Amino acid sequence: NAGVMQNPRHLVRRRGQEARLRCSPMKGHSHVYWYRQLPEEGLKFMVYLQKENIIDESGMPKERFSAEFPKEGPSILRIQQVVRGDSAAYFCASSPAALSPVANYGYTFGSGTRLTVV
Amino acid sequence: TQLLEQSPQFLSIQEGENLTVYCNSSSVFSSLQWYRQEPGEGPVLLVTVVTGGEVKKLKRLTFQFGDARKDSSLHITAAQPGDTGLYLCGGKLIFGQGTTLQVKP
Repeated sequence: NAGVMQNPRHLVRRRGQEARLRCSPMKGHSHVYWYRQLPEEGLKFMVYLQKENIIDESGMPKERFSAEFPKEGPSILRIQQVVRGDSAAYFCASSPAALSPVANYGYTFGSGTRLTVV
Repeated sequence: TQLLEQSPQFLSIQEGENLTVYCNSSSVFSSLQWYRQEPGEGPVLLVTVVTGGEVKKLKRLTFQFGDARKDSSLHITAAQPGDTGLYLCGGKLIFGQGTTLQVKP
């Protein structure tokens, strides 16, 4: 069984370009979560999606960032007009359903996309 | 706003020593998860604790969920260099800032 697949693993963009990060959840998982991590820091929640629906985008910057999880295909995190401050590791996680107290599971994470803006 | 505070942030110990990492909040969580992350990789789930007062063991790792479900701890017995990594606690979309553990041989 393939885990959560993220690509590309490394992405270099010049300031002002667009970055597209892709995430394919584990088979059978219908919930996708995007997180951002700076060096030596924890994970900052960005957005939570189900197929064709954004459930919670409270951690997403209001401008330049968008996310989607279409009916077919991977989830996409899109960053327009990138700036140096966007340089970070972006992780995607998936779960079979919304985390709940009766479900004894957590997230399965991908290996991340390391974005460098030059 | 729910927050998770981890302590300590950094820990450097010798092989064979014991250690405890704490994860605290002023809010109640229905469950908390612990993850370990190695450089260049995503976090890997170690355990989920659900019931207040629950204790779970994973080899030399012991996880405890506070009675009030506001805090959790991770205790490692006889740490080994292979335990080196970033340990994260997480609960319902949010994560603590992590504890970086270095175990020296």
